[in-house]
Amino acid sequence: QSVLTQPPSASGTPGESVTISCSGSYSNIGSNFVHWYRQFPGTAPELLIHKNNQRSSGVSDRFSASKSGTSASLTISGLRSEDEADYYCAPWDDSLRHVVFGGGTKLTVL
Amino acid sequence: EVQLVQSGAEVKKPGESLKISCQPYGYDFSNYWIGWVRQTPGKGPEWLGVIYPGDSDTRYNPSFQGQVTISADKSIRTALLQWRRLKASDTAIYYCARGISGHPLDAYDIWGQGTMVTVSS
Repeated sequence: QSVLTQPPSASGTPGESVTISCSGSYSNIGSNFVHWYRQFPGTAPELLIHKNNQRSSGVSDRFSASKSGTSASLTISGLRSEDEADYYCAPWDDSLRHVVFGGGTKLTVL
Repeated sequence: EVQLVQSGAEVKKPGESLKISCQPYGYDFSNYWIGWVRQTPGKGPEWLGVIYPGDSDTRYNPSFQGQVTISADKSIRTALLQWRRLKASDTAIYYCARGISGHPLDAYDIWGQGTMVTVSS
């Protein structure tokens, strides 16, 4: 059971925009940078966004993220079939004293 | 090409010891934090800890401190994750990952391919 809450699933049709939320508390999202990772089945996670809204090198500008208070969100615009994957938010937690990962959101492109 | 290459899959019995490795290529091993993350099928990742190979400064997830040991050997440019006594609950895929900056709490931009560890009697 993660201290971060993500919707277990999200979906959209090609070309649409989808937003994945990540809700936490002051000790994690409220006080620290949020990073976002994408993971395809059977592969290692890969960094999409670091420090709340900075795209990692080579990541499409279709991916954007923001943070407000104790919540963060990842938006994928111009949805493509290849965006189907699991997405995780991951800030540091000051109370737990370790990186915490959200439960993950499985994105389906209909 | 910057990459991390991990050692191969392991099958062990409960109570046995194990050491898995993570070897960097294409960058200066000493100057980037290396984190370890584990993942069980169908679940989200869990952060075990992080090490700075330059001076072996190590931070552990309190939940895993004492359960695993994170180390780095600069002479052979290798990061290590080891267990003294494995438990069935240690069965998971273990990833090493490179910190994107000089800060221990920053994101991980390069990931190893993962090492599957199976602990079963």
